[in-house]
This record gives sequence, C-alpha cells and structure tokens, in this order.
Amino acid sequence: AQSVTQLGSHVSVSEGALVLLRCNYSSSVPPYLFWYVQYPNQGLQLLLKYTSAATLVKGINGFEAEFKKSETSFHLTKPSAHMSDAAEYFCAVRRSSNTGKLIFGQGTTLQVKP
Amino acid sequence: EPEVTQTPSHQVTQMGQEVILRCVPISNHLYFYWYRQILGQKVEFLVSFYNNEISEKSEIFDDQFSVERPDGSNFTLKIRSTKLEDSAMYFCASTAYGANVLTFGAGSRLTVL
Repeated sequence: AQSVTQLGSHVSVSEGALVLLRCNYSSSVPPYLFWYVQYPNQGLQLLLKYTSAATLVKGINGFEAEFKKSETSFHLTKPSAHMSDAAEYFCAVRRSSNTGKLIFGQGTTLQVKP
Repeated sequence: EPEVTQTPSHQVTQMGQEVILRCVPISNHLYFYWYRQILGQKVEFLVSFYNNEISEKSEIFDDQFSVERPDGSNFTLKIRSTKLEDSAMYFCASTAYGANVLTFGAGSRLTVL
C-alpha cells in the first residue's frame, strides 16, 4: 500500500528565508510523486512532479524537490520565501502503473511573515 | 490554459436531500476523478471513471454515491441522501490517456445542515 507523510502541519518562515516542506512516502513499486499547492478558496494546482527521470525536479514559482530513494523522501524547497507563497501544500504519490488515484499527505500550511 | 470547471462553487443542503455536483473536464481527457477534502483533513480519493464506467472506487464511495457522464462534456457526482459527514470540498479532476498529471477543478463546497 502507498502512503504519504508530511512532517509538520504548519510551517512558518520569514520573507526571504528558505522554505523546506517535508514529505516521506511509502511505496512498494516505483512511485510517481507530486507537490500540489492550494491557495485560499482555490483548487489544487500542480507545483512539480517526479516521474522517474531526473531526481531533482524544478517546478513553478521557484520551487524544487529532490527524490531520494534511500530516504524515501521528496522534500519541497524554495531558497527565498515570498509573501505570495503562503498557502497549503500537499505531497501526493501514485503508482507509476496506474493513471490516477493519488494518495495525498495531510498537507502543510505555509505561513510567510514579513 | 484548459481548465476543469466545477459547479456549484458552494451548495448548502438539508440532511437527507439529494445533491448533484457537476464537472466539465478538459475536452480531450479520458480519465475522470472525484476527490473530497473534509475541513482540516487530507484530500481523499473517491472514484475514478474511464470509458463510461467506474474503474476504481474507495471505501468512502458507498451506495449513496454515484457518478455519471450524461453527455460528452459533463461528469457528475450524485449523493442520494446527504449526511452531515458529507460536508466537504469536492474536487473533480481529469487526465489524458497516458498522462502523469491530474488537473483539478477549483472545487465545490458542500455544506449539509
């Protein structure tokens, strides 16, 4: 069975500081991994995805994530936080062999302080 | 950029009433999904739909739920007799054949009183 754990339901950083949102996954088969962002009162927007190509994945808005098989992790980072990054972030996993059924983590709310 | 469109954005209903949530997936997509997010909880898979039939469903998707693609564009989720615990944000998503990424709609918030 697949699962995703996001460490920390709330993360607070100062504007300009490093953003690190943690995600660990469990999968018995090669996974596809995703980060989605949800801004207030909006839907889920894809930030980036890992689909077994390069282990360092770059996404939109300056975010990137590194797939580390040995650590079963897919942490999301951004070198310098902007106020506009305040949102909820979801890590998700699915089997590479199927076309849907994402398994989501619990979500991490990112607060950016001025 | 193509979007998945959901209506209504918010619906308030009385317990026991039927509710239909509507979705217009991206036009060339073939796989359709419903997910839900109860306030403060994670996003959960409900059902996937391909070739006019359910391809997979979760244990949440019981006999009170049904999905339908009544025409070439709409994809609906029906809850036959709503319960208080059905209050949630419901997300529709779609993807093309062989694609890796689901595109989500903005969601329909259902409040059951």
